[in-house]
Amino acid sequence: QSALTQPPSASGSPGQSVTISCTGTSSDVGGDNFVSWYQQHPGKAPKLMIYEVRKRPSGVPDRFSGSKSGNTASLTVSGLQAEDEADYYCCSYAGNNIFVFGTGTKVTVL
Amino acid sequence: QLQLQESGPGLVKPSETLSLTCTVSGGSISSNKYYWGWIRQPPGKGLEWIGSIYFSGITYHNPSLKSRVTMFVDTSKNQFSLEVSSVTAADTAVYYCARRPPSGGMDVWGQGTTVTVSS
Repeated sequence: QSALTQPPSASGSPGQSVTISCTGTSSDVGGDNFVSWYQQHPGKAPKLMIYEVRKRPSGVPDRFSGSKSGNTASLTVSGLQAEDEADYYCCSYAGNNIFVFGTGTKVTVL
Repeated sequence: QLQLQESGPGLVKPSETLSLTCTVSGGSISSNKYYWGWIRQPPGKGLEWIGSIYFSGITYHNPSLKSRVTMFVDTSKNQFSLEVSSVTAADTAVYYCARRPPSGGMDVWGQGTTVTVSS
């Protein structure tokens, strides 16, 4: 199972938007709507930000949104804030109760 | 509020077996709503899904690790465990346990425990 492909880095100024892509195959990202996104600050455990492509858990700001087209899922962070600077990982169901993570993207707030 | 806590040796010798336990508090591991999983992160690298287990004992593994990974659940202690056999330096990582609803999003995580493989 190969890791999903994410850009290594992304950046934006406070108040701007940044979009992170997550590219897989028809066997994972493109196969169903079980794509989730995680935020990880240095030395901390990952935090669920988006599940089922576009749903936000309680407590996650609506500045975070998810979408999917074909084999590529995306996470958009609007109105960037300093605390959004972190690593972000996508994760997709890959069939047979198996999951695969993305390679990770470091978001920098300029 | 549900909490997960990993525990186990921080240092394992090459070729030996790594053993970790995740203790669940504030909720029951026997809930038929959730799966319980393991994820690891080598130093400076990304997340890798290891596998997950249902309270009934059914397990699902990352195909790349399947032959070396064993998972089991102890409902009487509200714990689930991970064993990775024949470890090498490549198994050095922070190991996390997490809860996974059927939606697939891992919504509750432990703080993680660092395991170093070294002689």
